[in-house]
Amino acid sequence: AQSVTQPDIHITVSEGASLELRCNYSYGATPYLFWYVQSPGQGLQLLLKYFSGDTLVQGIKGFEAEFKRSQSSFNLRKPSVHWSDAAEYFCAVDFTGGGNKLTFGTGTQLKVEL
Amino acid sequence: NAGVTQTPKFQVLKTGQSMTLQCAQDMNHEYMSWYRQDPGMGLRLIHYSVGAGITDQGEVPNGYNVSRSTTEDFPLRLLSAAPSQTSVYFCASSPWGGGEGNQPQHFGDGTRLSIL
Repeated sequence: AQSVTQPDIHITVSEGASLELRCNYSYGATPYLFWYVQSPGQGLQLLLKYFSGDTLVQGIKGFEAEFKRSQSSFNLRKPSVHWSDAAEYFCAVDFTGGGNKLTFGTGTQLKVEL
Repeated sequence: NAGVTQTPKFQVLKTGQSMTLQCAQDMNHEYMSWYRQDPGMGLRLIHYSVGAGITDQGEVPNGYNVSRSTTEDFPLRLLSAAPSQTSVYFCASSPWGGGEGNQPQHFGDGTRLSIL
């Protein structure tokens, strides 16, 4: 079955440190890939997306992600974390090709220490 | 421009009661969907619609009904609520179609539902 794995349930980083959140998916072809962020009590906000082309994509709030076909991965990165980045992050994949039917990972809760 | 609006934001039901969660979008999006979010499980697709009059099941459809009579509205019905349906429900919308120009889903702020 198609699945999305976020192996880190919780991550704690110091403010100003770099961040990498991992995401792997099981699928043969290249799906559509997304990262969303959710603040407490809020809906989901799109950080970035990958459909095709350049495998390094830039998003909002200084985030970027790199698609690696050989590893079936789409890891999210940020060079310097701010306290306001504390939230839950979800990797989502559309295996159907339409960009509209998402399978989500279980999420990574990010805590930022001041 | 309100985006995706969900009502109510909070609701408590008793087992066996029925309820409709409302979702409306003002972006003229063809595609709408309902997800439920449970701790440690991410979001799971319940039902989706690719346009007025067309709906289909997602990953966890049991216990839920949907209909899509207009482009704007996509209500989710619980006919006989069960404690296992305690969750946070999110509605999302997007333009239909694939391709690099397609925009991904816009999410509402969620409805927190408790079934006693």
